[in-house]
Amino acid sequence: AQSVAQPEDQVNVAEGNPLTVKCTYSVSGNPYLFWYVQYPNRGLQFLLKYITGDNLVKGSYGFEAEFNKSQTSFHLKKPSALVSDSALYFCAVRTGGFKTIFGAGTRLFVKA
Amino acid sequence: DVKVTQSSRYLVKRTGEKVFLECVQDMDHENMFWYRQDPGLGLRLIYFSYDVKMKEKGDIPEGYSVSREKKERFSLILESASTNQTSMYLCASSLDHRSYNEQFFGPGTRLTVL
Repeated sequence: AQSVAQPEDQVNVAEGNPLTVKCTYSVSGNPYLFWYVQYPNRGLQFLLKYITGDNLVKGSYGFEAEFNKSQTSFHLKKPSALVSDSALYFCAVRTGGFKTIFGAGTRLFVKA
Repeated sequence: DVKVTQSSRYLVKRTGEKVFLECVQDMDHENMFWYRQDPGLGLRLIYFSYDVKMKEKGDIPEGYSVSREKKERFSLILESASTNQTSMYLCASSLDHRSYNEQFFGPGTRLTVL
């Protein structure tokens, strides 16, 4: 069965420091991987996706993610965190068909 | 920009009531989805539609039905609301069937069933 794991419920980081939000997946077939962000009382917004090619994907708001096939991971990163990055982050995977599998979410707190 | 709108941001209903949640997208997307979001569980797919009048069950369809009479509109219906359906409901759309297309989400409806 396909699954997505976000091993950390919460990540705390100081403003200006690099941040990493972790995601691992288990699928059969080639995965299409996504990161979404949810600000308070809002719907999800698309951040970035991996389809094929370069393992380092750049997205919105300075975020990037690295696809690692051998470790089945797709960690979200940002070199310098902002307080405004504080939100709930979801990793998601799709291999085919219509269904997207979402992780449980990781809450990011960036302290000033 | 794609815009996905949902009819209500907050809704309070009584047990046993029939509840309608409406979703409209303005970018001619083929696919539309209804999810519920609960803390610690992420998003769970209730139903999706890949074309007008077409619908498919997701992972948790029990107690729900859907309607897609027009391409831009996808409705979620709770036939007889129960307290365990208290949740955040998110509607989404995507361009077409291709798996690499991202989804665009509405702002969500927070439903409370008393």
